[in-house]
Amino acid sequence: QVQLVQSGAEVKKPGSSVKVSCRAPGGIFNSYAFNWVRQAPEQRLQWMGRIIPVFGTRNFAQAFQGRVAITADESTSTFYMELSGLTSDDTAVYYCAAERVTGTPPIPSSFDFWGQGSLVTVSS
Amino acid sequence: EIVLTQSPGTLSLSPGDRATLSCRAGQTVSTTYFAWYQQKPGQAPRLLIYGTSRRAAGIPDRFSGSGSGTDFTLTISRLEPEDLAVYFCQQYGRSPTTFGQGTKVEIK
Repeated sequence: QVQLVQSGAEVKKPGSSVKVSCRAPGGIFNSYAFNWVRQAPEQRLQWMGRIIPVFGTRNFAQAFQGRVAITADESTSTFYMELSGLTSDDTAVYYCAAERVTGTPPIPSSFDFWGQGSLVTVSS
Repeated sequence: EIVLTQSPGTLSLSPGDRATLSCRAGQTVSTTYFAWYQQKPGQAPRLLIYGTSRRAAGIPDRFSGSGSGTDFTLTISRLEPEDLAVYFCQQYGRSPTTFGQGTKVEIK
């Protein structure tokens, strides 16, 4: 069972930024895409974007274009999601989720493994 | 984007009962790109079913998926107490991938 380990809870002020990390086992770094999904209170899961390390590509949901950055550090097999311009609507649990990469271009796949979630609270 | 609507919102059943959860898509979804997840209280989601009907590794055979077009179903043949969770569907064939709002399964 693959374990994705995320950073801890954060409390942020409106207008600031938050950076959440997700550490993956080293062996899967180039076999998976790493997605970021958030779950606001009483809301459905919302996909934010992903990075595909083996291709060096990123995709983002239109709702977050220009406000989210996803990066990767291969040396530590760690992925980062940074969200800027925070408002109270960004209060949510943020998950990373691994999607197996198959084919070129990659065939869409389900999210095989998830991190434990990182609670981000935006409050003045 | 493809909107997924799940029903019912809550299902309250007894151990040993059969649970039938539905997910309806706003437009046709390929069966290749449809999944179900289980999220127990305080835990991360766990993949149950992918490709509409394929069980993920380690998932008991009491969980099964079916469907096509716009209507998909997750069936739990014999409920066990540990099946208490929220179940949600996902389509991943059209970007952005989208999720249903979830069905909560309660055990009487």
